Amino acid sequence: QQQVKQSPQSLIVQKGGIPIINCAYENTAFDYFPWYQQFPGKGPALLIAIRPDVSEKKEGRFTISFNKSAKQFSLHIMDSQPGDSATYFCAASPYGGTASKLTFGTGTRLQVTL
Amino acid sequence: DAGVIQSPRHEVTEMGQEVTLRCKPISGHNSLFWYRQTMMRGLELLIYFNNNVPIDDSGMPEDRFSAKMPNASFSTLKIQPSEPRDSAVYFCASSFRLSTPYSGANVLTFGAGSRLTVL
Repeated sequence: QQQVKQSPQSLIVQKGGIPIINCAYENTAFDYFPWYQQFPGKGPALLIAIRPDVSEKKEGRFTISFNKSAKQFSLHIMDSQPGDSATYFCAASPYGGTASKLTFGTGTRLQVTL
Repeated sequence: DAGVIQSPRHEVTEMGQEVTLRCKPISGHNSLFWYRQTMMRGLELLIYFNNNVPIDDSGMPEDRFSAKMPNASFSTLKIQPSEPRDSAVYFCASSFRLSTPYSGANVLTFGAGSRLTVL
């Protein structure tokens, strides 16, 4: 059973555009939502994370928006650059992230063109 | 810090052969995870250890898969016998698990992965 649904599967935007990746979860026990970024040939790496008591978190050009009532969260990349081309995974965990078991979405392959 | 180190980076083997993947976690980390990544199923958690003890192996697909962590600095994932459907990238990840919520201390650090091809 897939507990974190991610869309779209792939995304192509031009440089400077704002790609948006969406995730939805079902398990109401989830209360920690990180995003991981993966470049080809590398393992995923933590990009940004949010807790459910805030509706938005920004780190540089990356912003997470969170809608607790809809059980949805999304990643926005402002002023996207070709170097942002990677696969992005949303994830979720209960207990504020102290639970060892992190559930990942299926990933979104982003390509930023010149 | 060298990060999480995995070997081999690439493995090509024939169906029926035994495959052993190796992982050295980050020193000081007390949790270790094995994930499998495929196009069809994305990232799947196979098993994880806390303080060298296997906690949850419910993701291990079959008895052909086994994992060990004999000490805090080494873990193996073994597939015997291997099958073509085992072809995937296998990631090892480690973290330092604290009991403080939202501390960010449980950030997973992934290795570069071991790409397995079973012919």
